[in-house]
Amino acid sequence: DAKTTQPNSMESNEEEPVHLPCNHSTISGTDYIHWYRQLPSQGPEYVIHGLTSNVNNRMASLAIAEDRKSSTLILHRATLRDAAVYYCILIGAGGGADGLTFGKGTHLIIQP
Amino acid sequence: EPEVTQTPSHQVTQMGQEVILRCVPISNHLYFYWYRQILGQKVEFLVSFYNNEISEKSEIFDDQFSVERPDGSNFTLKIRSTKLEDSAMYFCASSETRGGRANTGELFFGEGSRLTVL
Repeated sequence: DAKTTQPNSMESNEEEPVHLPCNHSTISGTDYIHWYRQLPSQGPEYVIHGLTSNVNNRMASLAIAEDRKSSTLILHRATLRDAAVYYCILIGAGGGADGLTFGKGTHLIIQP
Repeated sequence: EPEVTQTPSHQVTQMGQEVILRCVPISNHLYFYWYRQILGQKVEFLVSFYNNEISEKSEIFDDQFSVERPDGSNFTLKIRSTKLEDSAMYFCASSETRGGRANTGELFFGEGSRLTVL
């Protein structure tokens, strides 16, 4: 699976939108872009994934650049509960490893 | 909402002792995994399991580790002779598709079992 680059940490205020960037310049045509998050003292939790088009679900939105070399996870209105480490992970649709490769992710701090 | 459950939440053991961590994956899932996270470090893949056998394992998953699905619901991780460096959070996960691939994409993780080796 290709490598991703994320900022180590970001800070935002409660009830404001948050944009978490991820660079993946070596992404291949069949790699899906997945986001997971890990709340304090919990296991990772799936957030969203996409291939080419922007995606929305109840938790977040995923904006994917036209060249797919970067993406942005958007939390439309952050709450204190959104404070977590956010991981951007590329997963190939075909063969490759079973295990997800977690990087260091982005530590999102939400100020009240 | 279905969830992956793990027991115990915390286990303290002496170095050299055997430990078994237990997991109940989501009932209709076919793929099962163990990950670990040493305090302050990344989440690391240990092993995946499908159709009653190991599908893939990482370099961390050496002969001290084993996994088993003893019945239709439980999935266990055994550490034969624990070492100090085995102290970590161990997360079980399950998914419908292999490695959470294709378009379904989702691995469901449990809340973890904290193992402390003294």
